[in-house]
Amino acid sequence: DAKTTQPTSMDCAEGRAANLPCNHSTISGNEYVYWYRQIHSQGPQYIIHGLKNNETNEMASLIITEDRKSSTLILPHATLRDTAVYYCIVRGDFTNKLIFGTGTLLAVQP
Amino acid sequence: DVKVTQSSRYLVKRTGEKVFLECVQDMDHENMFWYRQDPGLGLRLIYFSYDVKMKEKGDIPEGYSVSREKKERFSLILESASTNQTSMYLCASSPTASGNTIYFGEGSWLTVV
Repeated sequence: DAKTTQPTSMDCAEGRAANLPCNHSTISGNEYVYWYRQIHSQGPQYIIHGLKNNETNEMASLIITEDRKSSTLILPHATLRDTAVYYCIVRGDFTNKLIFGTGTLLAVQP
Repeated sequence: DVKVTQSSRYLVKRTGEKVFLECVQDMDHENMFWYRQDPGLGLRLIYFSYDVKMKEKGDIPEGYSVSREKKERFSLILESASTNQTSMYLCASSPTASGNTIYFGEGSWLTVV
């Protein structure tokens, strides 16, 4: 599976949009981009995933560049409860292994 | 919503004890997984199962075994617990389908003393 690169940490003001970037320049055609987050001492929580097109659900939006080499997770109105480590993962179709990198620690400030 | 439930949130066991970690999912998923998570090492796959009574070794199966007698239940067994198995253990499940999502439980914190 392709490797991902994320900033180590980011801050965001409460109520503002949080934009979390991820680079995955070696992604191949059948690999999906997944986002999870992990709040301290809890299991990873699935947020969203996509292949080529932008995706939106009740939690977030995922913007994937046309060349698929990078993506951005957008939390439209961050709250204090969104403070967590966010992981961007590239995963091949039907692959069972998830390789979590170090992720981005998002700190939402009041 | 998908629910993956791990039976014990926090456990403390003695070296040499046999330890059972239980996991149940309610979404009829074919695949189930056990990971452990350690600081600086990320998540590492111990075992996974793609069907009842079927299992495959992950990256770090040594010292562990698993059991899947029913589709919804996947058990991780530490035959003789050791201090280096102190960790957070995560169970996960997923359907077998294109673009399938892996869902995680809340985690079980195991301390071996």
